[in-house]
Amino acid sequence: RKEVEQDPGPFNVPEGATVAFNCTYSNSASQSFFWYRQDCRKEPKLLMSVYSSGNEDGRFTAQLNRASQYISLLIRDSKLSDSATYLCVVNGGSPSNTGKLIFGQGTTLQVKP
Amino acid sequence: DGGITQSPKYLFRKEGQNVTLSCEQNLNHDAMYWYRQDPGQGLRLIYYSQIVNDFQKGDIAEGYSVSREKKESFPLTVTSAQKNPTAFYLCASSPLRPMSGGPLNEQFFGPGTRLTVL
Repeated sequence: RKEVEQDPGPFNVPEGATVAFNCTYSNSASQSFFWYRQDCRKEPKLLMSVYSSGNEDGRFTAQLNRASQYISLLIRDSKLSDSATYLCVVNGGSPSNTGKLIFGQGTTLQVKP
Repeated sequence: DGGITQSPKYLFRKEGQNVTLSCEQNLNHDAMYWYRQDPGQGLRLIYYSQIVNDFQKGDIAEGYSVSREKKESFPLTVTSAQKNPTAFYLCASSPLRPMSGGPLNEQFFGPGTRLTVL
C-alpha cells in the first residue's frame, strides 16, 4: 500500500461547482498534513496546511480525519483558474522518515466553462 | 524578494556526462531538499540536508550526489551512473521543525530544472 494515496482523476466539473478530493495515508503516527497545488510544468505551491480542527481559506476547506486516516479538500464555487493538480502531502510516520514529507501523485481538476 | 532559485530551467545532457543543477535560497531556511518528478508520478526524494556540511540520502539517491557547503546553496550532481536521468528536478527548502518529533514545517519550492538526456 502506498504511504499516500489519491485518486488521480481527472475530475471534470463546470464553473461554480463544488468538488471534493480525498487522500488516505498509511501511517497513523503522521503529524503534518498539507495540500499543494501544481500547475502544468510548474513547481508545487502550498495551498494550505491541514489542522486537526479543520481549516478554511476562502473557497477552500481542508479536513483531517485521524481515525480513518484521510484528509480532504473541498473547493466551492469552482473557477477556471482552479484547474490544476492537487497534491496531498503527509510527513512520514515511521522513525526513519518522520523528517520527510511524502507526496501523493496528485488529483487533476479541470474546471470547464 | 526572498525565494528559491534554480538554474538552468532546461538542461540537455549527453549520455555519460555528469551535470550539476543549482539551487539557491535566501529565505534563511536550514533544511533543503531535492526531488525528482516523472510524468504522472508524485515527487520522490533524492537527498536532503538539515544543516550545513551534513546531508542524508532520500529514497532514490543512487546516481546522484550533493554538497551543502553554505546554508544558501544545495547543488545536485546527476552522474552518469543514474540510469534514467530525464526528469523534472525540484529543489525545496523549509525551516527546521520546531522540536524533535514534532510536526514538520511546509516546504517551499524553486521553479525546477527539466533535464533531458539525449
